[in-house]
Amino acid sequence: QVQLQESGPGLVKPSETLSLTCTVSGGSITDYYWSWIRQPPGKGLEWIGYIYYDGSTNYNPSLKSRVTISVDTSKNQISLKLNSLTAADTAVYYCARDRRRFLVWGQGTLVTVSS
Amino acid sequence: DIQMTQSPSTLSASVGDSVTITCRARQSIGTWLAWYQQKPGKVPKLLISDASSLESGVPSRFSGSGSGTEFTLTISTLQPDDFATYYCQQHNSYSPLTFGQGTKVEIK
Repeated sequence: QVQLQESGPGLVKPSETLSLTCTVSGGSITDYYWSWIRQPPGKGLEWIGYIYYDGSTNYNPSLKSRVTISVDTSKNQISLKLNSLTAADTAVYYCARDRRRFLVWGQGTLVTVSS
Repeated sequence: DIQMTQSPSTLSASVGDSVTITCRARQSIGTWLAWYQQKPGKVPKLLISDASSLESGVPSRFSGSGSGTEFTLTISTLQPDDFATYYCQQHNSYSPLTFGQGTKVEIK
């Protein structure tokens, strides 16, 4: 079955750009949509956006000006970039399968924004 | 965006109780609603899709109902493994996805 694994730096400085990768194994990245979701410590879930293998995307309007999601089909990976970081972007970042409801999730990676 | 509001925020209950969590949408979302369970430090687990469709492997003591703007998640005969935080999420095609703020089910 499909498994997802997020990777990237755990600490990023304010005003810089967060870059995360989600590697898909056990299935083809072309079979589904792929989403990013985040969760600040002790708080609820926030949808960031999704991508299809053809590169089509849809972003949360609240983050749209700062977010880029991309796909690399040759590596079976999706990527997330979030710029102009502030402490409010500190969260566990998850990748998940599908674009509407999420049955398969990565384990999540904690990103802390701090100088 | 479609705001989702859950109530209560915290629910204290005992093993064996039946509990109900309510999720209200600011506007109609049909039955485009999912429920998740999340335990501390763990990944959310999808329990129910389309308001009332139980995911494979989810115990039958979980049930969902509702349509339009009001939805409920009921756990009948609460088990020790059910103490967790529950989130609703609307997945209406024409709106950004949004989650409720969560309901923590704790041991009384």
